[in-house]
Amino acid sequence: AQKITQTQPGMFVQEKEAVTLDCTYDTSDQSYGLFWYKQPSSGEMIFLIYQGSYDEQNATEGRYSLNFQKARKSANLVISASQLGDSAMYFCAMRPDSNYQLIWGAGTKLIIKP
Amino acid sequence: EAQVTQNPRYLITVTGKKLTVTCSQNMNHEYMSWYRQDPGLGLRQIYYSMNVEVTDKGDVPEGYKVSRKEKRNFPLILESPSPNQTSLYFCASSSLGTVNEQFFGPGTRLTVL
Repeated sequence: AQKITQTQPGMFVQEKEAVTLDCTYDTSDQSYGLFWYKQPSSGEMIFLIYQGSYDEQNATEGRYSLNFQKARKSANLVISASQLGDSAMYFCAMRPDSNYQLIWGAGTKLIIKP
Repeated sequence: EAQVTQNPRYLITVTGKKLTVTCSQNMNHEYMSWYRQDPGLGLRQIYYSMNVEVTDKGDVPEGYKVSRKEKRNFPLILESPSPNQTSLYFCASSSLGTVNEQFFGPGTRLTVL
């Protein structure tokens, strides 16, 4: 069965510190994509970063990077120099390339403390 | 501006009263999808569509209908809403391809009394 697991329901982090949000996945597909989305309290879903299963380098987008460890089936999101505006729910999702269905984790609520 | 729009944004209704939530995208995307979001469960897919006149069930299709008569529109229909359909609903779209992320609408918060 295809599944995404986010083991941290909530996290508190001091402003300006780096934070790592965990994501592990389970799939039998050889080719797939991994996504991270941010959902602030206003409710919208904001795409952050993508990693393909065959990408050799870890994806980076500004302060966001994805620590992709294929053998361990993990795709952790790293946010460098956290800001108060990073407080939000963060969702990890996977899409097997055999179809377009996104499989979602339950999310991690991140709170940045001033 | 490229966007996915949903209407209404908020809706309170009563059990059994048919309702439709509209979704429209202006990006010429082939793929469209409906999700519901409930606390602690993440997003669960209701229905999706790969192109006009092509729709498929997601993980939680019971109690919902969809149609895709035009590429830009993908309405979600609740023929006889029940309280367990109280949720936050998202419409999303993407082009077909390996890398493409899904663009989300702003969400519709539905309460069924």
